[in-house]
Amino acid sequence: SQQGEEDPQALSIQEGENATMNCSYKTSINNLQWYRQNSGRGLVHLILIRSNEREKHSGRLRVTLDTSKKSSSLLITASRAADTASYFCATGDNQGGKLIFGQGTELSVKP
Amino acid sequence: EAGVAQSPRYKIIEKRQSVAFWCNPISGHATLYWYQQILGQGPKLLIQFQNNGVVDDSQLPKDRFSAERLKGVDSTLKIQPAKLEDSAVYLCASSHAWRGSYEQYFGPGTRLTVT
Repeated sequence: SQQGEEDPQALSIQEGENATMNCSYKTSINNLQWYRQNSGRGLVHLILIRSNEREKHSGRLRVTLDTSKKSSSLLITASRAADTASYFCATGDNQGGKLIFGQGTELSVKP
Repeated sequence: EAGVAQSPRYKIIEKRQSVAFWCNPISGHATLYWYQQILGQGPKLLIQFQNNGVVDDSQLPKDRFSAERLKGVDSTLKIQPAKLEDSAVYLCASSHAWRGSYEQYFGPGTRLTVT
């Protein structure tokens, strides 16, 4: 079963704009991770935020985590055409490394 | 360092045939995962190995799917016999450990089409 629900399912923006994707989950977590998948390729890890953290930055990426609302958001600032991809959130539980992925947000950045 | 290797990249078979996928994880990674990703969905974990032992295979359809990780390194995933609904991308991933918070490194996947 999939725990994460991502919103929106698809997002189309112009280069230079910011993109925000949201993820909600149902059960308690140890960490939440975001991955990117380019068409026809494997997933690439972007960022990991632990359950005791509220915000994390990596380059143009900003992730927030609200455990009281069981939700996370991924912000990509100053988007580029190369950011076009599907973005997945995945939650890790307290029992091991198992990740449960959401259905993803398909981001299209137009030049 | 070399990434996770998978082969073949593409496979087309007829239903009721058998197929096997191979994965070589990143050197030194103790944990290996097989995921199934159906078009338009996120990856779903099929099986997780810690060295050569199974940690989680709760979502593996054991009547037709099997996996092994001999010597705690390479792994193979087999489907026998295949059904139309097995058409998907099969992703292998590895991580340094399984307890705690660790990112997973994914291979390019094997795209399986069952006709």
